[in-house]
Amino acid sequence: QSALTQPASVSGSPGQSITISCTGSSSDVGGYNYVSWYQQHPGKAPKLMIYEVSGRPSGVSDRFSGSKSGNTASLTISGLQAEDEADYYCRSYTSSSTYVFGTGTKVTVL
Amino acid sequence: EVQLVESGGGLVQPGGSLRLSCAASGFTFSNYAMHWVRQAPGKGLEYVSIISTDGGITHYANSMKGRFTISRDNSKNTLYLQMGSLRAEDTAVYYCARDLVGGAVDYWGQGTLVTVSS
Repeated sequence: QSALTQPASVSGSPGQSITISCTGSSSDVGGYNYVSWYQQHPGKAPKLMIYEVSGRPSGVSDRFSGSKSGNTASLTISGLQAEDEADYYCRSYTSSSTYVFGTGTKVTVL
Repeated sequence: EVQLVESGGGLVQPGGSLRLSCAASGFTFSNYAMHWVRQAPGKGLEYVSIISTDGGITHYANSMKGRFTISRDNSKNTLYLQMGSLRAEDTAVYYCARDLVGGAVDYWGQGTLVTVSS
């Protein structure tokens, strides 16, 4: 199972909005609404930001939103803040009853 | 407070075996599917395995199938990962994590480092 494709890096200025894409296939992202997104700061465990494409866990800022179109899922961060600078990973359920992560995106706040 | 504490990591020679444990507390362990996820140094996250609430259903990433075995003891609130035929590329921090829904993991342990080297 190949990793889902994410851009290596995305950057934006404070207050701006950015979008991170996560591209797979009909066997994973496109076939199921089981896409989740994780934020990881250096040296820390990942944190769940979005589940089931667009669900937001309790305690996660509403500046984070998720969506999906076809085989591509997206995470949008609006009102970018310094603390949003981190690595972000998508993850999807697959037709093999397993899961696959994305390649990861480094978000830089300029 | 939900807590997941991994243990059992360390240095092991290529071809060797290791068993990781994850002690869970702060929630009803038997009600949740559980995952293992790993991260090689400086690399991205990689799915390892998932186990159902009663341990009756397990799935593995292709590269670990036949070498790794996930299990759980609900009476001890503990998750395990038995790793065998270890290779250098298995060197990583191994995280245990709790399933929220649809494979999304909402709580993670702090991770335990496994180093495969001679």
